[in-house]
Amino acid sequence: GQQLNQSPQSMFIQEGEDVSMNCTSSSIFNTWLWYKQDPGEGPVLLIALYKAGELTSNGRLTAQFGITRKDSFLNISASIPSDVGIYFCAANYGGATNKLIFGTGTLLAVQP
Amino acid sequence: DAGITQSPRYKITETGRQVTLMCHQTWSHSYMFWYRQDLGHGLRLIYYSAAADITDKGEVPDGYVVSRSKTENFPLTLESATRSQTSVYFCASSEGNSNQPQHFGDGTRLSIL
Repeated sequence: GQQLNQSPQSMFIQEGEDVSMNCTSSSIFNTWLWYKQDPGEGPVLLIALYKAGELTSNGRLTAQFGITRKDSFLNISASIPSDVGIYFCAANYGGATNKLIFGTGTLLAVQP
Repeated sequence: DAGITQSPRYKITETGRQVTLMCHQTWSHSYMFWYRQDLGHGLRLIYYSAAADITDKGEVPDGYVVSRSKTENFPLTLESATRSQTSVYFCASSEGNSNQPQHFGDGTRLSIL
């Protein structure tokens, strides 16, 4: 099945550094979403983007819906240890089914 | 605010057995979804439901059965479990409007021996 191309696969950074990750696809989407998954838990929604070019922030997190509607990025500023986890992008074609496709995830490790 | 709950959290069973994973949501969301999460594959959609009594196949439906007699419940049944179905299973729900984000439960870790 189709998946989104998410990069990087993993990142190991020092506390206080900024982080950037992105997702790309050959398809056009109506919605881009970013989720975070902590060990032993389900993915939790961080940011939802509904319009090409949209830039949205949630605290230290900022995400953008690419102008071409084929990509999105997530930035985390001034990382802290609790940012550790797996970050997933997800995208929705729109229409009646509301189905998502997911990226393969970015594992983030933050050293205090 | 219970949200979306899955049970059991952990399950060990043997090949050939039937096992049912439960999912319950308190938001009255129209859509519900079942995913499996495996290393190297990310989250893959098994089945989804747009409303009570309406279900449809996702990307990897073989070996699974679902039902949705009530809006709040969406059980997933493995009729004859196989080792390849060892995985972490997540249930999700979303509101009825298109493009609404999905909200996930905490998952069921299923091991089939």
